[in-house]
Amino acid sequence: ILNVEQSPQSLHVQEGDSTNFTCSFPSSNFYALHWYRWETAKSPEALFVMTLNGDEKKKGRISATLNTKEGYSYLYIKGSQPEDSATYLCAPLTSGTYKYIFGTGTRLKVLA
Amino acid sequence: GAVVSQHPSWVICKSGTSVKIECRSLDFQATTMFWYRQFPKQSLMLMATSNEGSKATYEQGVEKDKFLINHASLTLSTLTVTSAHPEDSSFYICSASEGIIVTEAFFGQGTRLTVV
Repeated sequence: ILNVEQSPQSLHVQEGDSTNFTCSFPSSNFYALHWYRWETAKSPEALFVMTLNGDEKKKGRISATLNTKEGYSYLYIKGSQPEDSATYLCAPLTSGTYKYIFGTGTRLKVLA
Repeated sequence: GAVVSQHPSWVICKSGTSVKIECRSLDFQATTMFWYRQFPKQSLMLMATSNEGSKATYEQGVEKDKFLINHASLTLSTLTVTSAHPEDSSFYICSASEGIIVTEAFFGQGTRLTVV
């Protein structure tokens, strides 16, 4: 069973602060990794799909990096805004099963 | 992006009754659909995978006779919790993918089930 760990579990930051989260996963049989943002009462929204070691993706103030050899991905948010408040989920896919295994997420609260 | 609609968003039912949850892809054909369950402070746990026209594949430990999954069309999958009991109270959420190999999945809004 794939063990996916996300840290921290939750954090509060002030508006304007930059922050980052970690997703750790077993590196064997890696196929892809997805990051999702999940706001309360809404559907999880895909942020990034990452496949290659060394991948870096960016979407506005949010960026992510991937290290498949050591089994981790970082998500960065620059200049956090209250609308960034959400739970951020990472979900690696392994080759062969092609099923998401989700971490427990990082709950971010940005204080105005 | 693609839209997946899940209904109902919340439901309360009596113990022993059955509850059906629907998951519809509104603007794409969902070849593969996934059903997840989430207990408080835990991660989304995959219950089953269904491909249109085929029987669902259940994850280990998930009772297929209790959680009936039907994926009769490319836009609709249903999860029926049969003879529900309080321990079935949970958050259920579906996701859908256009292909058999998942490159990107789109989620419904989830259903909060409370069995009393």
